[in-house]
Amino acid sequence: GAVVSQHPSWVICKSGTSVKIECRSLDFQATTMFWYRQFPKQSLMLMATSNEGSKATYEQGVEKDKFLINHASLTLSTLTVTSAHPEDSSFYICSAGTSGVSYEQYFGPGTRLTVT
Amino acid sequence: GDSVTQMEGPVTLSEEAFLTINCTYTATGYPSLFWYVQYPGEGLQLLLKATKADDKGSNKGFEATYRKETTSFHLEKGSVQVSDSAVYFCALRNNQGGKLIFGQGTELSVKP
Repeated sequence: GAVVSQHPSWVICKSGTSVKIECRSLDFQATTMFWYRQFPKQSLMLMATSNEGSKATYEQGVEKDKFLINHASLTLSTLTVTSAHPEDSSFYICSAGTSGVSYEQYFGPGTRLTVT
Repeated sequence: GDSVTQMEGPVTLSEEAFLTINCTYTATGYPSLFWYVQYPGEGLQLLLKATKADDKGSNKGFEATYRKETTSFHLEKGSVQVSDSAVYFCALRNNQGGKLIFGQGTELSVKP
């Protein structure tokens, strides 16, 4: 099946700094990528949907100035957590949607962010 | 709006026991239905899916049937293994290319 990678797999940063997380589709082109946030023992919360070359669509309640999403190419989307605070600590998961008739979404392995 | 409801966990079973995890949904139109599995510290993997009523999705011994009349997509396995211990998410998607809507997840723990 198709592979989606995320980098880094885990990151620790100090409060007030910014962190960038990359999501790559390794063997297919993804016109649409999704970013989710997951708290311990909870479900995935969709943060935003990004389409290559256009602005991301954020879900209600998600601060777009805090969670910057860029989808610059058909294989790469980035999520930047700006001015991170401890409450931003979470597991961030991306997924990438294939194009064409047989549409599927593939998930990355996730990035564990800890803000100290 | 569209939503998915799963039975609460954790579910604890002995090896070789029968598994059922209930999932019901509310949606307009005719959504596609999915089961995803998440192992500790990892992302989600698609376990199985069904795209229309009465379809049965199956994979690795797991099965689920799309029941439109009861708006359900219950996950079953005849004989669970310790390696099946994970969190299972039921999800729906209303449009091709659209977003997935997840249930709250059900943690399964299988003891030897």
